[in-house]
Amino acid sequence: GENVEQHPSTLSVQEGDSAVIKCTYSDSASNYFPWYKQELGKRPQLIIDIRSNVGEKKDQRIAVTLNKTAKHFSLHITETQPEDSAVYFCAASMHNAGNMLTFGGGTRLMVKP
Amino acid sequence: DAMVIQNPRYQVTQFGKPVTLSCSQTLNHNVMYWYQQKSSQAPKLLFHYYDKDFNNEADTPDNFQSRRPNTSFCFLDIRSPGLGDAAMYLCATSRPPQETQYFGPGTRLLVL
Repeated sequence: GENVEQHPSTLSVQEGDSAVIKCTYSDSASNYFPWYKQELGKRPQLIIDIRSNVGEKKDQRIAVTLNKTAKHFSLHITETQPEDSAVYFCAASMHNAGNMLTFGGGTRLMVKP
Repeated sequence: DAMVIQNPRYQVTQFGKPVTLSCSQTLNHNVMYWYQQKSSQAPKLLFHYYDKDFNNEADTPDNFQSRRPNTSFCFLDIRSPGLGDAAMYLCATSRPPQETQYFGPGTRLLVL
């Protein structure tokens, strides 16, 4: 089955700096890669996703890049703000009947004011 | 607003006392999932329903059961909760071929 590795497990940045979180996946059949943000005690919320026919996608301060050959994808947050502090999960999925997601282990991002 | 709703938000039960968690959705999605999430860990899929078809993950304990009486509702039954079952339980939905899963707010279960 699919295996998703996520690094780093914790990341501390100064407000205004950029943050990068990286994930690798094992199954070349995976074709959908969402990123979820989870604040303490709250639900995971989809912040951006990318499909395998695209190499990069951007939404304001957030961008995701995908390298299918190397089987890795990354989340980039620019101009970080304290409200970006949360746990971020990457995931991978292949087009199948149940849209099953395999999650990475999560990254705790702390943005210091 | 269309959404995924979970009740209750917090549930306290005693060791060995059956408990039921509920999930409802107004998104008209045909796939519903139950995840268990322990502190500082990723959500772990317990099972999912594709319409009425139930799909159990291989490592989901027999202690966990689920029911989906209709499209909108799905229940998680824990027959004999142990201390190790204390966790956040998340319900999610999706509508293939769209891959996105939408999560409910979760129910935090405490076992005394």
